[in-house]
Amino acid sequence: SQTIHQWPATLVQPVGSPLSLECTVEGTSNPNLYWYRQAAGRGLQLLFYSVGIGQISSEVPQNLSASRPQDRQFILSSKKLLLSDSGFYLCAWSVQDSHGQPQHFGDGTRLSIL
Amino acid sequence: QKEVEQDPGPLSVPEGAIVSLNCTYSNSAFQYFMWYRQYSRKGPELLMYTYSSGNKEDGRFTAQVDKSSKYISLFIRDSQPSDSATYLCAMSASGNQFYFGTGTSLTVIP
Repeated sequence: SQTIHQWPATLVQPVGSPLSLECTVEGTSNPNLYWYRQAAGRGLQLLFYSVGIGQISSEVPQNLSASRPQDRQFILSSKKLLLSDSGFYLCAWSVQDSHGQPQHFGDGTRLSIL
Repeated sequence: QKEVEQDPGPLSVPEGAIVSLNCTYSNSAFQYFMWYRQYSRKGPELLMYTYSSGNKEDGRFTAQVDKSSKYISLFIRDSQPSDSATYLCAMSASGNQFYFGTGTSLTVIP
């Protein structure tokens, strides 16, 4: 069966510090990978998605970047965090085909910027 | 107009009640529909996945899709305190792009 791992679960960082959140998927090959940010009462905001190694699409221009160095690894980064980067970050994967396969989420990282 | 509209609640029901959760959408191209359950401080968990119109049942959960009205529903029978969570609807036309509702908060009171 497929599993998705996200870490860390909780992170407190000072303004201006760098960020690296990691997500890995097991039990599947060549998945679509996604990074979302979830704000209370505002739903899920798609930040980045990837259909393959080194292929990243950005949905929202901002202080964050994403990379996919391996097939089942997805990393969310920032060089200098802003207060507005606080939130709940979710990684998700889906089977790559054209039939709207559902996404499966990790348990998220709660990021607080001080 | 948002692609997907979902009443945020909160919704509070007694244990054993039938719960009805709903979403409306504007894009007639949507054909894949999902319901997720999200517990506090956890990621969304896929509950139901349906294609096109019709009903799908899984245990106490039933998903309904009415494409003519652009309206989807999730019914929970014999609700339990463990069903207390936020429920998110999601939909897709095809491929990689998904649209999510903002979630409905449900509390089932013992």
